Amino acid sequence: GAGVSQSPSNKVTEKGKDVELRCDPISGHTALYWYRQSLGQGLEFLIYFQGNSAPDKSGLPSDRFSAERTGGSVSTLTIQRTQQEDSAVYLCASGTTNEKLFFGSGTQLSVL
Amino acid sequence: QKEVEQDPGPLSVPEGAIVSLNCTYSNSAFQYFMWYRQYSRKGPELLMYTYSSGNKEDGRFTAQVDKSSKYISLFIRDSQPSDSATYLCAMKRSMNTGFQKLVFGTGTRLLVSP
Repeated sequence: GAGVSQSPSNKVTEKGKDVELRCDPISGHTALYWYRQSLGQGLEFLIYFQGNSAPDKSGLPSDRFSAERTGGSVSTLTIQRTQQEDSAVYLCASGTTNEKLFFGSGTQLSVL
Repeated sequence: QKEVEQDPGPLSVPEGAIVSLNCTYSNSAFQYFMWYRQYSRKGPELLMYTYSSGNKEDGRFTAQVDKSSKYISLFIRDSQPSDSATYLCAMKRSMNTGFQKLVFGTGTRLLVSP
């Protein structure tokens, strides 16, 4: 595709429910990153994929958070038993080198 | 203390003004510096990147790095209402360092009034 695509753009859920956020990176991009952006906070790294492998999961805040990538393309970030503090914008980005990173528009997650 | 500090603003200027956006950082190992622009409800978009110290110019935008002071700036000349956005600085140790090591500022919100 022309850019990084994320869905849904907005997600409202109730505390305790599970949510899945999807990222479709730019075709051919081997590296894929998930970040979280909270109000007044800088972007917070969550997890990095190179192909289908995740060499760096160090940013995942708890074991309620997991992610997978299949076919070297689409990635899904899953948050189990959502909490109000999980409310944020979840951004996906992809790239081919360490020089440039291309972001999607994000998923605004609201946990009530 | 955060590794990267950035004034959140908002910074309000009239159209045509010269805008100066700044970040300070504490880690002297940072060598690769970036500026991203983020419009409301959109993801960050890379504006410029620079290596080490000095200036880099691209159209109305100039990025400046002063490693001795651990201070980076983005200047926007002849600012336009379409420049109204949040500007994020970001940095990492080298171009070869992965983006999982990228450290972002919190962003400065810029408002350019017609």
